[in-house]
Amino acid sequence: DGGITQSPKYLFRKEGQNVTLSCEQNLNHDAMYWYRQDPGQGLRLIYYSQIVNDFQKGDIAEGYSVSREKKESFPLTVTSAQKNPTAFYLCASSASTGYGYGYTFGSGTRLTVV
Amino acid sequence: GQNIDQPTEMTATEGAIVQINCTYQTSGFNGLFWYQQHAGEAPTFLSYNVLDGLEEKGRFSSFLSRSKGYSYLLLKELQMKDSASYLCAVRDNTNAGKSTFGDGTTLTVKP
Repeated sequence: DGGITQSPKYLFRKEGQNVTLSCEQNLNHDAMYWYRQDPGQGLRLIYYSQIVNDFQKGDIAEGYSVSREKKESFPLTVTSAQKNPTAFYLCASSASTGYGYGYTFGSGTRLTVV
Repeated sequence: GQNIDQPTEMTATEGAIVQINCTYQTSGFNGLFWYQQHAGEAPTFLSYNVLDGLEEKGRFSSFLSRSKGYSYLLLKELQMKDSASYLCAVRDNTNAGKSTFGDGTTLTVKP
């Protein structure tokens, strides 16, 4: 079955470390997105990509980086510059930016700074 | 940019009907989505409106008025499993098609 796979499900990071969250989709979707969710809040956009080798900053990109070397993969790196990284991270994809295409989400990665 | 408002919490009784409202102010609009999110899980797509009016899908319906910047999600014949957070999201009209989300409405269904 097609879908989006995020790994790991839980991740613990020491202060000062960089960590990379994996996101892989086999839906043949062009657009991919990374969102962050804090308790009791909605989703905030970190980065997004419409095509391979191209990506744009979202509303809260500082302290994060991404790459889009393959259509299927959109990994997110949380750098040591991100001062408050503890959150639930969601990767999403969309078939098209045209009519009616909602997001398909991965199951999320819960990142905790220890 | 986008600004989206929805109530923080709602409570309803099993078997009843509940309406969750969403208002938005936007600089560009290309559709409004509703997602359901159970605690600790990822959101799942419920509905999409881009034209004014009502879209019905089984027990769930969603309404849009673009002139008023207003939408609602109507849930009928509530079941305990409908206890979840409901997220309203507005997609912009750029080529990126990215969505801005409200903070979500936590619905508790009681027996």
